[in-house]
Amino acid sequence: DTGVSQDPRHKITKRGQNVTFRCDPISEHNRLYWYRQTLGQGPEFLTYFQNEAQLEKSRLLSDRFSAERPKGSFSTLEIQRTEQGDSAMYLCASSASSGRADHYSSEQYFGPGTRLTVT
Amino acid sequence: AQTVTQSQPEMSVQEAETVTLSCTYDTSESDYYLFWYKQPPSRQMILVIRQEAYKQQNATENRFSVNFQKAAKSFSLKISDSQLGDAAMYFCAYMGGRGGNEKLTFGTGTRLTIIP
Repeated sequence: DTGVSQDPRHKITKRGQNVTFRCDPISEHNRLYWYRQTLGQGPEFLTYFQNEAQLEKSRLLSDRFSAERPKGSFSTLEIQRTEQGDSAMYLCASSASSGRADHYSSEQYFGPGTRLTVT
Repeated sequence: AQTVTQSQPEMSVQEAETVTLSCTYDTSESDYYLFWYKQPPSRQMILVIRQEAYKQQNATENRFSVNFQKAAKSFSLKISDSQLGDAAMYFCAYMGGRGGNEKLTFGTGTRLTIIP
């Protein structure tokens, strides 16, 4: 396994268009996270999945954003009616949770990101 | 809500010298984890070092070590014998404990330049 992969690496789109990004986590990792990183800032949490269930969404994730993780494997992040403010790097990370409530089991492995530019 | 502050947007160090990057955080939780991540230019983020809040001993990983001051909510990273490959953005990050969703809260980063 070569790590977390994301596709595409770069996306340029016009305002108002829809875009979809894909993330393939490390196999057997049951947790998958999406973060957004704007220029000069640290990544900000958007949403996360445990297996196929989306368990938390940040208030940053407006109703134009939707994420799925069918079958608990790869995940997609879709942005509808893109705005210039959506321009950012979208990062995906995965980890393997032990399932124990009191135990942190694994680091988050990050993908290379998808850089979105909305013109 | 938890916050992470990195007050040094940029730092530079001579090759082979030692540099310390600062990080403070704010939380009301007693159980949590702290991390330093490295993001080289155009490359993906990788974990440098992590610290469990319940551990008093400071974490070390080869040339990287932390100074964890829980009462002061401070978590600095020391890089010894700096190498050209250490040049990157460094992010301090916080994760709540007790089986939460393990989402990371990041600081704004410190850009580290290594001077040959």
